[in-house]
Amino acid sequence: DTAVSQTPKYLVTQMGNDKSIKCEQNLGHDTMYWYKQDSKKFLKIMFSYNNKELIINETVPNRFSPKSPDKAHLNLHINSLELGDSAVYFCASSSRDSQETQYFGPGTRLLVL
Amino acid sequence: SQQGEEDPQALSIQEGENATMNCSYKTSINNLQWYRQNSGRGLVHLILIRSNEREKHSGRLRVTLDTSKKSSSLLITASRAADTASYFCATDPFSGGYNKLIFGAGTRLAVHP
Repeated sequence: DTAVSQTPKYLVTQMGNDKSIKCEQNLGHDTMYWYKQDSKKFLKIMFSYNNKELIINETVPNRFSPKSPDKAHLNLHINSLELGDSAVYFCASSSRDSQETQYFGPGTRLLVL
Repeated sequence: SQQGEEDPQALSIQEGENATMNCSYKTSINNLQWYRQNSGRGLVHLILIRSNEREKHSGRLRVTLDTSKKSSSLLITASRAADTASYFCATDPFSGGYNKLIFGAGTRLAVHP
């Protein structure tokens, strides 16, 4: 009965590969987010979707492409992976009624070799 | 650019002592939130304080907000070993109605039995 789940939990891959991370929330929330946490624990928002519509798109390389097939899912596809993409990627969600509080997934630890 | 900055970066105390963490930010905000991250886990929302509030309590947590100084503090009273985690402040700046949280780098709290 996990609220926000992400798969995979760990991802080790070679430079130049393409990979996807999936996120699902069963909280009935309207808004979902992707964050990147670097090695210094600094957490930065990448994207946000509200009802499958992109509403926040920070300065992120266009190798990163989010996709929201429905309100409960927000996936992140990364093309041509680079060493600097190594980080922990967190998905989060929030509701229309309580937009402020965000609920985070457990994170996907990506290591690019 | 980074909005919130926590101080200190690391804090080590004994069980039963109080822990105080500070956060400074740069722009006007709707609200400020504190999150906890246990090692290898996602972030958990602790408390939210709105820009028109000065102090808020939740259990052993006490948060203050000084909008004139653009700063906030989180006090954890009677700390326990289970409080060991990283604590992040996150600000919700005025951003056209979108819940765009901007996180600081966090304070790593270690509570020793």
